[in-house]
Amino acid sequence: AQSVSQHNHHVILSEAASLELGCNYSYGGTVNLFWYVQYPGQHLQLLLKYFSGDPLVKGIKGFEAEFIKSKFSFNLRKPSVQWSDTAEYFCAVNSLSSGSARQLTFGSGTQLTVLP
Amino acid sequence: GAGVSQSPRYKVAKRGQDVALRCDPISGHVSLFWYQQALGQGPEFLTYFQNEAQLDKSGLPSDRFFAERPEGSVSTLKIQRTQQEDSAVYLCASSRGGDEQFFGPGTRLTVL
Repeated sequence: AQSVSQHNHHVILSEAASLELGCNYSYGGTVNLFWYVQYPGQHLQLLLKYFSGDPLVKGIKGFEAEFIKSKFSFNLRKPSVQWSDTAEYFCAVNSLSSGSARQLTFGSGTQLTVLP
Repeated sequence: GAGVSQSPRYKVAKRGQDVALRCDPISGHVSLFWYQQALGQGPEFLTYFQNEAQLDKSGLPSDRFFAERPEGSVSTLKIQRTQQEDSAVYLCASSRGGDEQFFGPGTRLTVL
């Protein structure tokens, strides 16, 4: 079975600091990779996704992530965070194996707090 | 509507009561997923529909959990004889083809 690990449970940064959130997954086959964000009081929203091609993907609000297949990693980055980036961030994968329902397997999430 | 909607947003049930949670997916989305999110955890898969067919229910934690989507649009997740461990946020997501999923706001269930 596939699993996703997010090692940082809570990250606290000051505005303008750089951000990197770790995500590692375990699955031997081909996967799609996602980062979702949940702002306080709001529903899960897609931040960015990787299906194939360029392993460096850019998402909304200045976020980017790099897929490193050899490390089974898909870390999220942002060069300069803002107070409005305070949210919970979830990494997720789904399997492309034949017959798969394509359900997402999520990590446990990272709560990001940005101090003004 | 523009997004996935769920109702009720909050539900408080006494232990042993039955509850029904509703999901309205984005119009035209054939795939529908239910997830359970416990406090401090990521969402966990419960079940999957393609149109009206329930193709995967491997994530349902017990036979007290039942889901249906009779006409291939609205879906209902029913929990019978609720227990305290059922307290969680129940999320519904829909997708056109099963890859990018769009989530609803969730129903927060509290079982007393």
